[in-house]
Amino acid sequence: ELKVEQNPLFLSMQEGKNYTIYCNYSTTSDRLYWYRQDPGKSLESLFVLLSNGAVKQEGRLMASLDTKARLSTLHITAAVHDLSATYFCAVDMEYGNKLVFGAGTILRVKS
Amino acid sequence: SQTIHQWPATLVQPVGSPLSLECTVEGTSNPNLYWYRQAAGRGLQLLFYSVGIGQISSEVPQNLSASRPQDRQFILSSKKLLLSDSGFYLCAWSVQTANSPLHFGNGTRLTVT
Repeated sequence: ELKVEQNPLFLSMQEGKNYTIYCNYSTTSDRLYWYRQDPGKSLESLFVLLSNGAVKQEGRLMASLDTKARLSTLHITAAVHDLSATYFCAVDMEYGNKLVFGAGTILRVKS
Repeated sequence: SQTIHQWPATLVQPVGSPLSLECTVEGTSNPNLYWYRQAAGRGLQLLFYSVGIGQISSEVPQNLSASRPQDRQFILSSKKLLLSDSGFYLCAWSVQTANSPLHFGNGTRLTVT
C-alpha cells in the first residue's frame, strides 16, 4: 500500500524567510504532484514532477523530485502572506492518475 | 477550456436520509473522473474512480456508491447517511493519459446531523 508522508504538518513562518516542506512516499513512483488549498476552497494544481531530478519553479515556490530517495521537496523563498494555505503532495499509485495524497502542510506566513 | 461543476456547494442532511451529489465536466471527452473526501480539513481519500461510462472502481468499503450515467457526469450517492459521512467531497477529472494532473471542482461540504 502506498503511503505518502508530509512534514511538517504545520508551519508558521515569518515573512521573508525560507523554508522547505518534505514529502516522502513508500513505493516506487516517478509521478508526483503538488497542490495548494485555500481555506474552504478546492485544490489548485501547482506542480507536476514526472522524472528523477525534475525541478519546477513558480514565483517563490520551487518543487523537486528525487525518485531514488522517494522524496519531493517544496521550497519557499522569501515567504509572503499570500502563500498562506495548505499544501498537499500526491503520488500516482499506478498509471491511471489515481493519486494518493499526503496529509497536507498548513502554512501560515506572519507579517 | 475545460470546466468542472459540482453541486450543491453545501448540504446539511439528517442521519438516515439519502444523498446525491452531482459533478459534470465540460470541454473534454472521455475523462477519468474521481470522487475524493476530505475529513476535518486534512488529507484527501480517494472514494471512487471511473475511466468510462458505467465503469466504477471503489477504493474503500463504505456507505456510498457512485455512478457515471454519461461520459462527463459523475454522481455520488447514499441510501442512508451516517454521521461519519460528514466531510468535504471533491470531484475531479483528468485526461486519460498518464502523468496528467487532476483538476478539482469547488467541492461540497456535507454535514450529517
